[in-house]
Amino acid sequence: EIVLTQSPATLSLSPGERATLSCRASQSVNSYLAWYQQKPGQAPRLLIYDASNRATGIPARFSGSGSGTDFTLTISSLEPEDFAVYYCQQRRNWPITFGRGTRLEIK
Amino acid sequence: QVQLVESGGGVVQPGRSLRLSCAASGFTFSKYGMHWVRQAPGKGLEWVAVVSYDGSDEKYVDSVKGRFTTSRDNFRNTLSLQMHSLRAEDTAVYYCAREVYGSGGPICHFDYWGQGTLVTVSS
Repeated sequence: EIVLTQSPATLSLSPGERATLSCRASQSVNSYLAWYQQKPGQAPRLLIYDASNRATGIPARFSGSGSGTDFTLTISSLEPEDFAVYYCQQRRNWPITFGRGTRLEIK
Repeated sequence: QVQLVESGGGVVQPGRSLRLSCAASGFTFSKYGMHWVRQAPGKGLEWVAVVSYDGSDEKYVDSVKGRFTTSRDNFRNTLSLQMHSLRAEDTAVYYCAREVYGSGGPICHFDYWGQGTLVTVSS
């Protein structure tokens, strides 16, 4: 199965700063990668699909890039509501797999 | 608006069975593949199973193959997950989730999720 490694495990930043989250795949997933945000007690929320496509209603400060094995989620200027856990997910091969998550916390 | 509502979770002893349901509304259910994703307490997300839009195809993660079966009723707009031989490691919140329908057709990313139902396997 394809293993997704997210880094860092925890990222401490202040509102207004830029966040850069990484997801590396154990083999190429082409552009078949999504990003989700999850807050405590809530279901995940789709942010980005197929590497760079923003989902409906997602603010423009969220952007995704990458292809093959290396992907990045960028939040251009952090808002207070952006502090959460972020997961990447691949759909290139079965089984579908998720990364272990990056916790974005307030510094 | 799109709604997915899971039910059927609870506390069950190891080796027993449980059936989860997901009621869908606000969209054409029969057009979308539907998935189950679980999350053990304090842990990350794990994809569990998918059923195709018409129910003709299913796939499972290895750890549940032969024990779990997913199905759908496109007349009642419901998704089900039948779980047998439950183990402690199956303890998790189980979410049903809808596939994205992109410009080229369905893709296995998930744009709508239910609120989840907690399954606890314990003696």
